Amino acid sequence: DIQMTQSPSTLSASVGDRVTITCRASQSINSWLAWYQQKPGKAPKLLIYKASSLESGVPSRFSGSGSGTEFTLTISSLQPDDFATYYCQQYNGYSTFGQGTKVEIK
Amino acid sequence: QVHLVQSGAEVKKPGASVKVSCKASGYTFTNYAMHWVRQAPGQRLEWMGWINVGNGNTKYSQKFQGRVTITRDTTASTAYMELSSLRSEDTTIYYCARGRGSNCFACAFDIWGQGTVVTVSS
Repeated sequence: DIQMTQSPSTLSASVGDRVTITCRASQSINSWLAWYQQKPGKAPKLLIYKASSLESGVPSRFSGSGSGTEFTLTISSLQPDDFATYYCQQYNGYSTFGQGTKVEIK
Repeated sequence: QVHLVQSGAEVKKPGASVKVSCKASGYTFTNYAMHWVRQAPGQRLEWMGWINVGNGNTKYSQKFQGRVTITRDTTASTAYMELSSLRSEDTTIYYCARGRGSNCFACAFDIWGQGTVVTVSS
């Protein structure tokens, strides 16, 4: 299985901050990477697919980049609704997920 | 609007089986694959398997091979996930999720069900 490792595990930030989360794959996955946002008690929500494509309806402050084994999710200006846990998913074959990054209020 | 609505919470004894349903609405059911993902409290998401809703082909994670069966009823626009030989470690939330793309196996998941809590306890 392809292992996905996110960093950091927890991130403390303030409204308006620029936030970056990193996801590393144990082998190359080309651009087959997605990012999700999950709030407590809710299902994950797709934000980014194919590493950098913004899902319809997702605010433009979210962006994704990377290819191969290293990827980033950036929130350009953190909003109150963005405090949540974020997961990356590789889908270069059988899907696996990162362990999550919790974005909390500083 | 596109929705996936899952069946309600289940409590099962060790060794039993559970079957979770996922009813789709708002789109052509046979055009999109359905995946099943589970998530233990505070843990990462774990992909379990996939069904090509158009032709019924399935693939399963090696971890669950032999214990999980995914099926669909196209007349009812419903997919099902059955997990057998339940053990305490199977106590978690189970989600169905639509593949973003035409019956894709390797894809992102654009629509998710609300989740079904399965508790395994004697």
